[in-house]
Amino acid sequence: DTGVSQNPRHKITKRGQNVTFRCDPISEHNRLYWYRQTLGQGPEFLTYFQNEAQLEKSRLLSDRFSAERPKGSFSTLEIQRTEQGDSAMYLCASSLVGLAGDSFFGPGTRLTVL
Amino acid sequence: RKEVEQDPGPFNVPEGATVAFNCTYSNSASQSFFWYRQDCRKEPKLLMSVYSSGNEDGRFTAQLNRASQYISLLIRDSKLSDSATYLCVETGGSNYKLTFGKGTLLTVNP
Repeated sequence: DTGVSQNPRHKITKRGQNVTFRCDPISEHNRLYWYRQTLGQGPEFLTYFQNEAQLEKSRLLSDRFSAERPKGSFSTLEIQRTEQGDSAMYLCASSLVGLAGDSFFGPGTRLTVL
Repeated sequence: RKEVEQDPGPFNVPEGATVAFNCTYSNSASQSFFWYRQDCRKEPKLLMSVYSSGNEDGRFTAQLNRASQYISLLIRDSKLSDSATYLCVETGGSNYKLTFGKGTLLTVNP
């Protein structure tokens, strides 16, 4: 499968715990994006990488959130001290530079914070 | 005002109907526009780009009116398989960030 993959697909955690999600983009794509989607809303941009450089972070990304893409391939998104408001679908996408509109999304990780 | 606003829906139409979705955007600097489709519990997928001259892909026609900051999607001869949420998307003044509307749910009934 040459699409974007994300793991885990589902995560249930208790408030205050830390969670980490992984995204493996399409191999030739140098841009990787993280979005968050809640029920009844469209995806909201969180951050993006070009190769290993994190070039922008949304103000939605509080200091409890951190993302990395250490070798310009896969990426991780960590949420520390989770809160119930963090419950959402976390979507990863990838694209070639300059073709953000042609982003390929992964299946997402659904986070539930109890 | 939200950056991208769509018809709230939901739309319930019979097979074969023609249905149109509308969308407005607030950032006059926006350069690129798209329609994405999202099936229930699935990821969004690009349906089509939207060009100033209008563009058509089979039963789907997209239009852009920059003066009115308005985008539309027309689906002709709708099929059961068209049932999904349709998301209006723009890139603002960037070439990396997609800004999505809330989406409009379409259900095509037999």
